[in-house]
Amino acid sequence: QKEVEQNSGPLSVPEGAIASLNCTYSDRGSQSFFWYRQYSGKSPELIMFIYSNGDKEDGRFTAQLNKASQYVSLLIRDSQPSDSATYLCAVNRGGSYIPTFGRGTSLIVHP
Amino acid sequence: GAVVSQHPSWVICKSGTSVKIECRSLDFQATTMFWYRQFPKQSLMLMATSNEGSKATYEQGVEKDKFLINHASLTLSTLTVTSAHPEDSSFYICSARDNEQYFGPGTRLTVT
Repeated sequence: QKEVEQNSGPLSVPEGAIASLNCTYSDRGSQSFFWYRQYSGKSPELIMFIYSNGDKEDGRFTAQLNKASQYVSLLIRDSQPSDSATYLCAVNRGGSYIPTFGRGTSLIVHP
Repeated sequence: GAVVSQHPSWVICKSGTSVKIECRSLDFQATTMFWYRQFPKQSLMLMATSNEGSKATYEQGVEKDKFLINHASLTLSTLTVTSAHPEDSSFYICSARDNEQYFGPGTRLTVT
């Protein structure tokens, strides 16, 4: 089992819809969870991080963490074509500040 | 957020030559920097952790004699790909940690 798993997609949603991106992780001791956005040919940029169970909202983005289910998700409300990118989930193991990345989910927002 | 730069942004070299990539933290001091490699449609793979003033820590399977890392100051780490071969062609990304991890813009290496 991979440490951090994501569906590679592509996930295609219409403009204005909610995009839901999911990530599961294998290490129960994981403590920090990150979502990065990566445009083609560019390096990742941090969108959100979450440490505690529940939801964390920042503008159009909501991160959801369920440690019991070892599941973290990212919701993007009112999706825009400019949101089209690959979204990487990253997880820090307990006691480590080095994240392990998933393969990423490709999101396509079509007009 | 903090800014991390990389130079060059892209490089083409011939097989057998060496290439040096620089990573700089522009507005903060980074005792630790990280080097990643990303192949097309793959995830970021950590190659090594670069520690200022000491030897880098390489991930399993990464040849330390091929990928030379030097972290001579708190704002600069370099990765030298020695005797590069076409299979080394990839997107190399560095990051530096302040309170969070910030990525450089990446270096596209093509070995012909």
